[in-house]
Amino acid sequence: GEEVAQTPKHLVRGEGQKAKLYCAPIKGHSYVFWYQQVLKNEFKFLISFQNENVFDETGMPKERFSAKCLPNSPCSLEIQATKLEDSAVYFCASSQGGSGIYGYTFGSGTRLTVV
Amino acid sequence: GEDVEQSLFLSVREGDSSVINCTYTDSSSTYLYWYKQEPGAGLQLLTYIFSNMDMKQDQRLTVLLNKKDKHLSLRIADTQTGDSAIYFCADPRTGNQFYFGTGTSLTVIP
Repeated sequence: GEEVAQTPKHLVRGEGQKAKLYCAPIKGHSYVFWYQQVLKNEFKFLISFQNENVFDETGMPKERFSAKCLPNSPCSLEIQATKLEDSAVYFCASSQGGSGIYGYTFGSGTRLTVV
Repeated sequence: GEDVEQSLFLSVREGDSSVINCTYTDSSSTYLYWYKQEPGAGLQLLTYIFSNMDMKQDQRLTVLLNKKDKHLSLRIADTQTGDSAIYFCADPRTGNQFYFGTGTSLTVIP
């Protein structure tokens, strides 16, 4: 399809519970990116994939966050033992290329609320 | 975003022009981008400019790039209420990670 599909749109988790977010990139786009948008509109880069391989994971809090992009499956971002500060909107984006010249197409985000 | 700065708020009257400014520090990017975010939605690519251009016009949108001052601006002509949103400039730099500005919230007064 021509849109990046993210599910679910909203997710509420109690502190300490697991959260799993999904992203189906646009067909033919080989790069997938995850960003976290917190209250002040700041976008924090988390991780990127080239096909199923991790391309850049410099933004990932490694202790509790993990992500995968497996063939023939939506990509996923998982947070083990969520904390209050994980409350944010998580955006997935896909791109034809990885060097920035193609631009990104963003999904509409998953709003995670940790209570 | 790191080293990509924007003013936080802009308010204009319907029909006037809006100018949203952005300053960046890294000058190695081939392209610079403008994205629009409406409430509850993701980022929508509005336009981009190639780094060897000074200006790009696309219907009501005009992008100006001053590489010497590392300043990028987005002008929206004849601003409409539907233009109310948050606007982000984005600098891809080298590698594949975009650095987004802090976003400018545009309010259009009818």
